[in-house]
Parts: sequence; C-alpha cells; structure tokens
Amino acid sequence: DTEVTQTPKHLVMGMTNKKSLKCEQHMGHRAMYWYKQKAKKPPELMFVYSYEKLSINESVPSRFSPECPNSSLLNLHLHALQPEDSALYLCASSQTPGQRSGSYGYTFGSGTRLTVV
Amino acid sequence: KNEVEQSPQNLTAQEGEFITINCSYSVGISALHWLQQHPGGGIVSLFMLSSGKKKHGRLIATINIQEKHSSLHITASHPRDSAVYICAVPNSGGGADGLTFGKGTHLIIQP
Repeated sequence: DTEVTQTPKHLVMGMTNKKSLKCEQHMGHRAMYWYKQKAKKPPELMFVYSYEKLSINESVPSRFSPECPNSSLLNLHLHALQPEDSALYLCASSQTPGQRSGSYGYTFGSGTRLTVV
Repeated sequence: KNEVEQSPQNLTAQEGEFITINCSYSVGISALHWLQQHPGGGIVSLFMLSSGKKKHGRLIATINIQEKHSSLHITASHPRDSAVYICAVPNSGGGADGLTFGKGTHLIIQP
C-alpha cells in the first residue's frame, strides 16, 4: 500500500458543529503532516507529528485540534470553525531521518474539501 | 526560512511542445521536490532529487545545488499534462519538518 487515504473527500459544516477529518497510511512512515490550502495558493503547514508526538504546531488556532492515535492514523478535530477556514485540507506522510539515511519523499492524500457555512 | 521562487506562474502551450518550469531557492537543501496538482485535487509527488537529473517517462527534473536552481521539463506535452506544478523544499536540513512550497506554475496544454 503506497497511498495516503483521507476521509471524507467533502465536508460541509456549520460554525457550531464538531467534525473530524481522518488520514490513514500503511507505508510505515513515522512522520505525518496536516496542510491547509486556500484556492490558488500553495499549501501551508499546520501540524507535524513525528513518532506519534506533535513536533510542530504552526500557531494554528485552537479550534483545530490534531490527534495521532497510532503510527498509521492522523485525525484533525474541528470545532467552532469560521467561514474563512473553508479550504482544502491535505494530509501527507514521510519517513523520518531516523528511519533511513539520506533524503526521503513525501506522499500526499487527495485532500478533504471543507466548507464552513 | 527558505524562499522558493517559481517561473513562469502561468504557461499555455500547444500539444507537443517542450515545456520548462524553473525553481530557485535561497537556502541550501538536502533535496528538492517536484509535485503535481490537478484542479481541486490532491498532490502527486513527481520527483525528489538531491543532485543531477532524474527522468520518468516524458518528465525530466534537474537540479544544480551550487546555483540553488532546479528545472522541470516535459517533452512532447499532452493536454493531460495540464495541471499546477509545484516546487518544494524541506523546512530544515533533514528533519521531518514539512515542506515550503513555491507558488506553483499553472500549465495548460492546448490540443
């Protein structure tokens, strides 16, 4: 399995709702990432998990709450979002430097298109 | 933080033409990534390269580490190559710190 699977593909939620995005990979990658991408802009890094521990939080508002329950799964819990949070949310995974020597590649999911109404 | 510049931002060409997209960055890196994104879609990794040249089908990527510059070439371009092509570099020397992306090149290949 060489894929990163994201669910759902599309999500519409109200500003008072609570929802979760899910990301799964079975490539043995020990680094997983959440990115946010607005229309016609490059992706922006939100969170990095390394060996199931949060290693980077790019000053993301607390209404976004990441979780890494195991080495294959990454969740992004959403609560009290604003319309400006509407975007494509991309998950990615990679090996870490500790897993092999040299550089390493990334695998991206197809994203969740989130609309906040 | 690394600054990543891509050119051109937009490119329209006729089917069969040879395409070149350029990328330059400001801070030395261990590897550079070329990515492809179709409208509304996820990102596909095309190449990761740290030196020289790589080829996959009609796609060729080159990098000059000393000049901090990379190019992506498409030979015999086809309408299905229409997509956004993105250059990206690691946020640190080699840790799992994510990528910094260029703004992308929007490529349209007309039949």
